[in-house]
Amino acid sequence: DIQMTQSPSSLSASVGDRVTITCRASQNIRDYLIWYQQKPGKAPILLIYAATSLHSGVPSRFSGSGSGTDFTLTISGLQPEDFATYYCQQSYSTPRTFGQGTKVEIK
Amino acid sequence: QLQLQESGPGLVKPSQTLSLTCTVSGGSISGDNFFWTWIRQHPGKGLEWIGYIYYSGSAFYNPSLKSRLIISVDTSKNQFSLKLRSVTDADTAVYFCARALSGAYSQFDYWGQGTLVTVSS
Repeated sequence: DIQMTQSPSSLSASVGDRVTITCRASQNIRDYLIWYQQKPGKAPILLIYAATSLHSGVPSRFSGSGSGTDFTLTISGLQPEDFATYYCQQSYSTPRTFGQGTKVEIK
Repeated sequence: QLQLQESGPGLVKPSQTLSLTCTVSGGSISGDNFFWTWIRQHPGKGLEWIGYIYYSGSAFYNPSLKSRLIISVDTSKNQFSLKLRSVTDADTAVYFCARALSGAYSQFDYWGQGTLVTVSS
């Protein structure tokens, strides 16, 4: 199985901050990397696929970068509704695997 | 707007079979473009892919669960289902159904709200 490791596990930030979350794959997954946002008690929401492609309706302050084994999710100008947990997921091979999540909290 | 809704018992006894159904509305479960997926989340933990099924019945399972798992589809009811046998408390989780696009990246673009299943005697 491909292991996905996110860092940090949690972070505190203020509204308006630029936030960066990192995801590392245990092997080369090219650009088969997806990002989701999850709020407590809710299902995850698709943000980004193919490492850099924004899903329809997702605000442009979200962006993704990277390829191979190292990927980044950036939120440029954190908004109150962005406080949530973010997960990366690889779709290079089965079983699909997720990172452990990064919780973005209010400072 | 596509909607997915999980249903099934919220409490299952150890060693018994966990059975859940996902009803898809606002779109057809048949068609070449989608895989229908089960994902679970242990309390306070991350996400675990269980498996998915194509409308034709072809299924792909997580090897860690494969020996206990059956995913099936009923196109006449626009539903797909999960059966996980011989459950233990390690199977206590929120179970989500979701749609995966069958393109290159198979991202999960629509999700059900999730249903908590507790394994307890």
